[in-house]
Amino acid sequence: DAKTTQPTSMDCAEGRAANLPCNHSTISGNEYVYWYRQIHSQGPQYIIHGLKNNETNEMASLIITEDRKSSTLILPHATLRDTAVYYCIVRFPSTSGTYKYIFGTGTRLKVLA
Amino acid sequence: NAGVTQTPKFRVLKTGQSMTLLCAQDMNHEYMYWYRQDPGMGLRLIHYSVGEGTTAKGEVPDGYNVSRLKKQNFLLGLESAAPSQTSVYFCASSYWGDTQYFGPGTRLTVL
Repeated sequence: DAKTTQPTSMDCAEGRAANLPCNHSTISGNEYVYWYRQIHSQGPQYIIHGLKNNETNEMASLIITEDRKSSTLILPHATLRDTAVYYCIVRFPSTSGTYKYIFGTGTRLKVLA
Repeated sequence: NAGVTQTPKFRVLKTGQSMTLLCAQDMNHEYMYWYRQDPGMGLRLIHYSVGEGTTAKGEVPDGYNVSRLKKQNFLLGLESAAPSQTSVYFCASSYWGDTQYFGPGTRLTVL
């Protein structure tokens, strides 16, 4: 099962881009990279996902390296409300026909005023 | 749409007591999941369901049972609560096992 490695914590100035890296060197060809965030103790909030192409939505951009061994989540203009724990997850197929997520400990992003 | 809702939000139990946590979703999702989150850790999968009437074990199933009698509801039961089950419990659902959407959580304390 592919696992991910993320820095424990990062700071970012308000209004600047926040770049959150993730290593997933054992990822397989059909496994997607997902990003979620968790603000305080709320339920995880879906941000974005991708397979091999770069993706962008209204919240963030996801850059996946060509070898797919790492990715970066970009919040283009971080605000104080983006302070949260960010989880990089590899979604992999399980033997029962569904997909599973393995959550690591995530990156605690603090946006500074 | 309310999305994924969980009942109750908070609960305190004594060791040996039983309780049921209710998860409901109004998105017509087939798949539902129960996770637990302990301090400083990521979420761990307890049980999941790929459709009405089905359940399967996740990563940490011991001490828990689940039922999915209706498509929109997924129940998590603790038959005899233990202090080690003090945690925050999250329910999630997905359409066909793809993107999961999470509820707000239930904070359970077992004394």
